[in-house]
Amino acid sequence: DQQVKQNSPSLSVQEGRISILNCDYTNSMFDYFLWYKKYPAEGPTFLISISSIKDKNEDGRFTVFLNKSAKHLSLHIVPSQPGDSAVYFCAASGSGAGSYQLTFGKGTKLSVIP
Amino acid sequence: EAGVAQSPRYKIIEKRQSVAFWCNPISGHATLYWYQQILGQGPKLLIQFQNNGVVDDSQLPKDRFSAERLKGVDSTLKIQPAKLEDSAVYLCASSQGTLETQYFGPGTRLLVL
Repeated sequence: DQQVKQNSPSLSVQEGRISILNCDYTNSMFDYFLWYKKYPAEGPTFLISISSIKDKNEDGRFTVFLNKSAKHLSLHIVPSQPGDSAVYFCAASGSGAGSYQLTFGKGTKLSVIP
Repeated sequence: EAGVAQSPRYKIIEKRQSVAFWCNPISGHATLYWYQQILGQGPKLLIQFQNNGVVDDSQLPKDRFSAERLKGVDSTLKIQPAKLEDSAVYLCASSQGTLETQYFGPGTRLLVL
């Protein structure tokens, strides 16, 4: 049973436009959410996170939105750049349990076309 | 600051052979994680250490996988004997504490033939 779902395996966006990556979760105990970015032959790199007490967190071109009632979060990249082409993983944890174990989605491959 | 180091980067073995992976976390990071990432999937946690003690190994196939973190710094993950389905990327991550951001190494890509 997948607790974190990224239903779009891939996404193509023109350079300069907005990229929107979506993620759904099923476990109501999750209260901390992260996005990781992964280039080929490298490990995932932390990008941005959001706590369940917030509904938005922004860092430069990257914004994460959380809709707790829908158990849905999204990552917006504006404007998209060719260097953003990578696989993006959504991850969730229930920090209230006292540990920071991450449950990952399957990832969405973003391609930004120049 | 140096990142998480892993070796080897690639390994090809035949089924039923043994293999070991090594991880050196970021200096000062008390928590260390091993993940398995099968092609097309997200990383799955195998084991989590806090210093040299195991916090969670509930998803580690203990009949063939073992891991240790002697002295609370470096860690090794071993598979003995390997099966075809063990072909994956094995990622090591570390964090300052159990509720802190995890930083990943480049991974070891294992192919079992």
